[in-house]
Amino acid sequence: DAGITQSPRHKVTETGTPVTLRCHQTENHRYMYWYRQDPGHGLRLIHYSYGVKDTDKGEVSDGYSVSRSKTEDFLLTLESATSSQTSVYFCAISESVGQGEQYFGPGTRLTVT
Amino acid sequence: QKEVEQDPGPLSVPEGAIVSLNCTYSNSAFQYFMWYRQYSRKGPELLMYTYSSGNKEDGRFTAQVDKSSKYISLFIRDSQPSDSATYLCAMNLLTGNQFYFGTGTSLTVIP
Repeated sequence: DAGITQSPRHKVTETGTPVTLRCHQTENHRYMYWYRQDPGHGLRLIHYSYGVKDTDKGEVSDGYSVSRSKTEDFLLTLESATSSQTSVYFCAISESVGQGEQYFGPGTRLTVT
Repeated sequence: QKEVEQDPGPLSVPEGAIVSLNCTYSNSAFQYFMWYRQYSRKGPELLMYTYSSGNKEDGRFTAQVDKSSKYISLFIRDSQPSDSATYLCAMNLLTGNQFYFGTGTSLTVIP
């Protein structure tokens, strides 16, 4: 998994609670991404980071926030989880977008009840 | 219209068959094209990437890009049961920070 870990790997939480997912990389890549993957929708970009403290929104950013205080860590926070956020979340890294290679972590399976 | 279209399948073939997986796209500015393999309950794994048009071969896998038709293909020769997975195409621009994915094609290779 190209030196990418995600934690936790599985989580069940209740509606309305805050949740933070962590992505950690050992590759020193500049770009980091959070995606969610749902049946029929494929991978959808939530947020991405192009450097420490530099982040931007993706296609489905509502209800999510991110932070990147170190090159190796990218956090995804669900401020108040909803059932529609039940999904599998993947972190990905890329050294340079123009190079065309993106590597994925193992995923976090989140269930909001 | 989505930027990248991919037939979800499912596709089922006998072992040893040649498999053809395809994606079409709408943005003629895409320059890098990738194929990922995703096993059930795992993260996508980068299989191959190509730049601009042409073919690229790696073992039993061949990636083909036809920019004039906005069409990319992945061919798998001598398919094996271990090739059973979902295959995702992806692409991006020379500039910009995002990757664009197809929804994936589910492939089963029957022994």
